[in-house]
Amino acid sequence: NAGVTQTPKFRVLKTGQSMTLLCAQDMNHEYMYWYRQDPGMGLRLIHYSVGEGTTAKGEVPDGYNVSRLKKQNFLLGLESAAPSQTSVYFCASTDGQAIDYEQYFGPGTRLTVT
Amino acid sequence: LAKTTQPISMDSYEGQEVNITCSHNNIATNDYITWYQQFPSQGPRFIIQGYKTKVTNEVASLFIPADRKSSTLSLPRVSLSDTAVYYCLVGDIYSSASKIIFGSGTRLSIRP
Repeated sequence: NAGVTQTPKFRVLKTGQSMTLLCAQDMNHEYMYWYRQDPGMGLRLIHYSVGEGTTAKGEVPDGYNVSRLKKQNFLLGLESAAPSQTSVYFCASTDGQAIDYEQYFGPGTRLTVT
Repeated sequence: LAKTTQPISMDSYEGQEVNITCSHNNIATNDYITWYQQFPSQGPRFIIQGYKTKVTNEVASLFIPADRKSSTLSLPRVSLSDTAVYYCLVGDIYSSASKIIFGSGTRLSIRP
């Protein structure tokens, strides 16, 4: 049981380039989330999904797009990267929607935009 | 969601008991209190959750007084490996997890 995995672990982009971050979970969870964490800060929710084929905006969605074509995968896309998107990106999944369900996090993707 | 306030940082030594207090003065009746732990270069992981009184598991204890306006995470006999950021979250069990707010947390440093 791998839990939540993220690909890639590290990436350096130039301003204006695009990329896709992949999150995969093998726990059959319905709910998946993408967060970003800036140095010394807490996590901020970018987008989330309540099931296959659904997505919704979180607190800081601008500049990002997501897709959930398969239940086990949640993709985060940056169409035109900006230095302000330099951050560590975490994916998480839960078994239920409510706050009392434990969130399982991936190891993170460290993205630098120059 | 109820706003939480916790210390920015704490220091302690190996073998000591560490208590991290979180203030949540406007906690609502349906709110639960949840703590997460984040090691450097890793994603957060769930530690413990409670509603009132005391909850204990193999990692920590959570003390919640009767008025529930604060909670204390207790880590017994800490070791260097307990160095991490600890987040206190408060939220309604009927609310979506998309409304969870991870604040800046408490950065705990354990020294030899």
